[in-house]
Amino acid sequence: SQQGEEDPQALSIQEGENATMNCSYKTSINNLQWYRQNSGRGLVHLILIRSNEREKHSGRLRVTLDTSKKSSSLLITASRAADTASYFCATDAHSGGYQKVTFGTGTKLQVIP
Amino acid sequence: KAGVTQTPRYLIKTRGQQVTLSCSPISGHRSVSWYQQTPGQGLQFLFEYFSETQRNKGNFPGRFSGRQFSNSRSEMNVSTLELGDSALYLCASRWGSYTNTEAFFGQGTRLTVV
Repeated sequence: SQQGEEDPQALSIQEGENATMNCSYKTSINNLQWYRQNSGRGLVHLILIRSNEREKHSGRLRVTLDTSKKSSSLLITASRAADTASYFCATDAHSGGYQKVTFGTGTKLQVIP
Repeated sequence: KAGVTQTPRYLIKTRGQQVTLSCSPISGHRSVSWYQQTPGQGLQFLFEYFSETQRNKGNFPGRFSGRQFSNSRSEMNVSTLELGDSALYLCASRWGSYTNTEAFFGQGTRLTVV
């Protein structure tokens, strides 16, 4: 399996509900970032959490990082129809002397009005 | 401040041809990375350039190449196109040389190989 796998692959919720997406990875990382992608378009950066941080907030977004379990979660509270998108985690790690960013497989979120 | 600009937005090429994609990073950003996104393989890292030097490369064949100019603009070239090269190609720019800074993505170039 790949470095950075999101779970679930797809999620459908009602507007106003919370959405939780999980990301697991394999190797030690420097930081982990979450991105949003609207259908077939570019990625929008949401949050960066460093390996020595455990939790970070940005508006309705909350990200946690558990380096012992090599996992992260993204919580979107009070979801809106506009949150419908694919969400990716990206891990940053040293690889062969370089820093390398690896994206996960993504979670497709649908928020039903 | 203008965002990351990728041109062209859409491209249709024939198998065996070659293609060049362009990426203009945000002003002041010196790092440009390229990614390929397909439904089957997801987002895969192609390469990264910083100050005109390729610093990192993903697991793609030599048909995929790139370069960066002194103004930080970057081009990606794919030679001898194959049907499997059909994908959304995304570039991202960063201010610094470290990946612990935010990456800003362009809207991508959708390449279709027929």
